[in-house]
Amino acid sequence: DTEVTQTPKHLVMGMTNKKSLKCEQHMGHRAMYWYKQKAKKPPELMFVYSYEKLSINESVPSRFSPECPNSSLLNLHLHALQPEDSALYLCASSQVPTETQYFGPGTRLLVL
Amino acid sequence: GEDVEQSLFLSVREGDSSVINCTYTDSSSTYLYWYKQEPGAGLQLLTYIFSNMDMKQDQRLTVLLNKKDKHLSLRIADTQTGDSAIYFCAEGTYKYIFGTGTRLKVLA
Repeated sequence: DTEVTQTPKHLVMGMTNKKSLKCEQHMGHRAMYWYKQKAKKPPELMFVYSYEKLSINESVPSRFSPECPNSSLLNLHLHALQPEDSALYLCASSQVPTETQYFGPGTRLLVL
Repeated sequence: GEDVEQSLFLSVREGDSSVINCTYTDSSSTYLYWYKQEPGAGLQLLTYIFSNMDMKQDQRLTVLLNKKDKHLSLRIADTQTGDSAIYFCAEGTYKYIFGTGTRLKVLA
């Protein structure tokens, strides 16, 4: 089983809203990732968590706040987003940070 | 930095072979990957190749790696309409750099 689940599937929010994206895996993977994908572009790495600790932040604005409450769960808290933040947000996990990454179906976010 | 380059578009007839090419940049990557993305969906891992291999075959998929030229290719035999999607190559270890993506259209 190589399933990564993400909720919600779609999200519409205003620029003053606070919302959260959720990602879950039960494969015992110890590395989890957030990527952002704009239309017709490849995914771009945002954050890497390794053994529940943030190991990479690709200079992401502070209006995006990741959280890893346990080894199976990864959240992305959103606050005061801009319309240009509208994108597909993909979560991935891997056994350890150097191993193959498996992706979830993504959350399509629209910021109005 | 340099981009991982792929041709933007490929159109083939059902039953033909498809070849999708990728020029990567990081010669230190341990593995190189191919992912498939259908409209509105996430990325599905298709296959990967260890950097010390030249070729890997997995059912209808054949991956060729030319390390000297930093060239990776994915051949899909007997292409079907269900293979229509965007295909991304990816390099890197924990930080993946994806190629620009190739949109494959399969004509019935």
